[in-house]
Amino acid sequence: SAVISQKPSRDICQRGTSLTIQCQVDSQVTMMFWYRQQPGQSLTLIATANQGSEATYESGFVIDKFPISRPNLTFSTLTVSNMSPEDSSIYLCSVGITTGVPEAFFGQGTRLTVV
Amino acid sequence: GENVEQHPSTLSVQEGDSAVIKCTYSDSASNYFPWYKQELGKGPQLIIDIRSNVGEKKDQRIAVTLNKTAKHFSLHITETQPEDSAVYFCAARDSNYQLIWGAGTKLIIKP
Repeated sequence: SAVISQKPSRDICQRGTSLTIQCQVDSQVTMMFWYRQQPGQSLTLIATANQGSEATYESGFVIDKFPISRPNLTFSTLTVSNMSPEDSSIYLCSVGITTGVPEAFFGQGTRLTVV
Repeated sequence: GENVEQHPSTLSVQEGDSAVIKCTYSDSASNYFPWYKQELGKGPQLIIDIRSNVGEKKDQRIAVTLNKTAKHFSLHITETQPEDSAVYFCAARDSNYQLIWGAGTKLIIKP
């Protein structure tokens, strides 16, 4: 398995501002993902964070709104830009250790409230 | 693409009884089916998984069964305890290596 640390664990932000969420893994991993989970809902994949190249975004998510960085095999950031109350959600970092191992592990999440 | 349906959305059982949560999937190419437990304020935790070449897997009080022909898989929890109360998610890994998630089941264990 992998130990995943996400920061911050929660935040309350003003609309129009941006928040950067960090995800640190205790070992090198092949795949890193960012999810959004709205209150009482299931998980929605935002993007796959690719090391050294642009992230791969899912339908409905764009780089200008959710820029992602992944400078190495253990760290990634997700920025939620120009926030509105509709961005209030839990944001989750997930990792896959290698492509041959299907298990995915999650951080504890970042609970974001936009006021 | 893959679609995963999960039932029931809420399940209330007496402590000590068994709980069963069911999921169906649509893509016959999916080959990996994990179950996650999410407690309030925490991220999902992988509790058990099954690959398509296996019909059943057990880990103490938890078991998962897979019927590839019918394209459904189930989570079984026996001798339920208060700490089993949580939201449970099933998922299926599709041919693009993406996890497709069920809607979740809120499991309530009544004392």
